[in-house]
Amino acid sequence: GENVEQHPSTLSVQEGDSAVIKCTYSDSASNYFPWYKQELGKRPQLIIDIRSNVGEKKDQRIAVTLNKTAKHFSLHITETQPEDSAVYFCAASPYSSASKIIFGSGTRLSIRP
Amino acid sequence: NAGVMQNPRHLVRRRGQEARLRCSPMKGHSHVYWYRQLPEEGLKFMVYLQKENIIDESGMPKERFSAEFPKEGPSILRIQQVVRGDSAAYFCASSLVGLAENNEQFFGPGTRLTVL
Repeated sequence: GENVEQHPSTLSVQEGDSAVIKCTYSDSASNYFPWYKQELGKRPQLIIDIRSNVGEKKDQRIAVTLNKTAKHFSLHITETQPEDSAVYFCAASPYSSASKIIFGSGTRLSIRP
Repeated sequence: NAGVMQNPRHLVRRRGQEARLRCSPMKGHSHVYWYRQLPEEGLKFMVYLQKENIIDESGMPKERFSAEFPKEGPSILRIQQVVRGDSAAYFCASSLVGLAENNEQFFGPGTRLTVL
């Protein structure tokens, strides 16, 4: 089955700097890659997603890139702000079992003032 | 338009008791998913249901766990004879159509189960 690896597990950046989180997946049939943000004690919330027919997608300070050949995708947050502090999860949906979302283990992002 | 609702938000059970977790999807959504999140870990898929049907239960333990989504009323995740290892946050999500159409899953606030 699909396996999603996520790195790093923790990330601390200075406010205003960029943060990058990287993920790899194993099932080449996966075709949907959402990213979720989860604040302490709260529900996961979708912040951006990318489909397999797109290599890059941007939404204001957030961008995601996808390399299907290498089976990896990344989240980029620019001009980080204190409210960006949270746990971020990458995920993949294997086409062969279209109901599932397989999550990475999460990255705890801390923004230093 | 209310979001995904889950209740209770917190549930405490003693070992051997039963836990019932409820999820009401967003209005108009007929696809429900349950995930479990252990402390400091990611979310693990458990089961995917449509009204009156279990579509994929490959992530659910074979024993003690069951799920349903009746024609009327919320989806129920039932854990019988709970053990301490069942302590976790259980999140429900719903979508308008199945994920095959790449439709966003909206998450509920979760039920935090503590087994004493």
